[in-house]
Amino acid sequence: KQEVTQIPAALSVPEGENLVLNCSFTDSAIYNLQWFRQDPGKGLTSLLLIQSSQREQTSGRLNASLDKSSGRSTLYIAASQPGDSATYLCAVPTSGTYKYIFGTGTRLKVLA
Amino acid sequence: EAQVTQNPRYLITVTGKKLTVTCSQNMNHEYMSWYRQDPGLGLRQIYYSMNVEVTDKGDVPEGYKVSRKEKRNFPLILESPSPNQTSLYFCASSYTRHINQPQHFGDGTRLSIL
Repeated sequence: KQEVTQIPAALSVPEGENLVLNCSFTDSAIYNLQWFRQDPGKGLTSLLLIQSSQREQTSGRLNASLDKSSGRSTLYIAASQPGDSATYLCAVPTSGTYKYIFGTGTRLKVLA
Repeated sequence: EAQVTQNPRYLITVTGKKLTVTCSQNMNHEYMSWYRQDPGLGLRQIYYSMNVEVTDKGDVPEGYKVSRKEKRNFPLILESPSPNQTSLYFCASSYTRHINQPQHFGDGTRLSIL
């Protein structure tokens, strides 16, 4: 059964730092991996989706990488800002289905 | 504006009183899904629907029902709510012509079952 893990659960960094969030999954037979951002009291906003055939995706200051063989994805945030403070979640669809498994998230706080 | 709309946003009710949480999307998406989010457990999928009249169970379907009679709507029904269904619920939608399409989420419904 697919399991998705995100470490650390929480992270505080000073403004301007580059940082990396981690996502691990146990079943490498995935179609894609999606990174989301969740602000308090809000729904999830899709940040990046990496297809299984891709190694990385970039959007602005965000870069997500995917290593299927090792069951890992990283979300790199460059030059962090206080507005980046949120919970970041990763999710994968279970192989052969449209059932999605989410990690429990990393709560990020960027200090001004 | 493309969006997924859930109603109500907040609800406090009592055990056993049937309730329905509505979800509507205006993006002509085939795929719709319901999740619940609990502290320490993350988001867990309740039910999903690939298209009209096509629904399937997620990881935690017990105590819930869904229907998909129209493409834009996917209501979540709690026939006899219990306190362990107190949670934050999210509806999501996406295209299904190819699985590599991002999901779009509603703002959530916070349910408290007393």
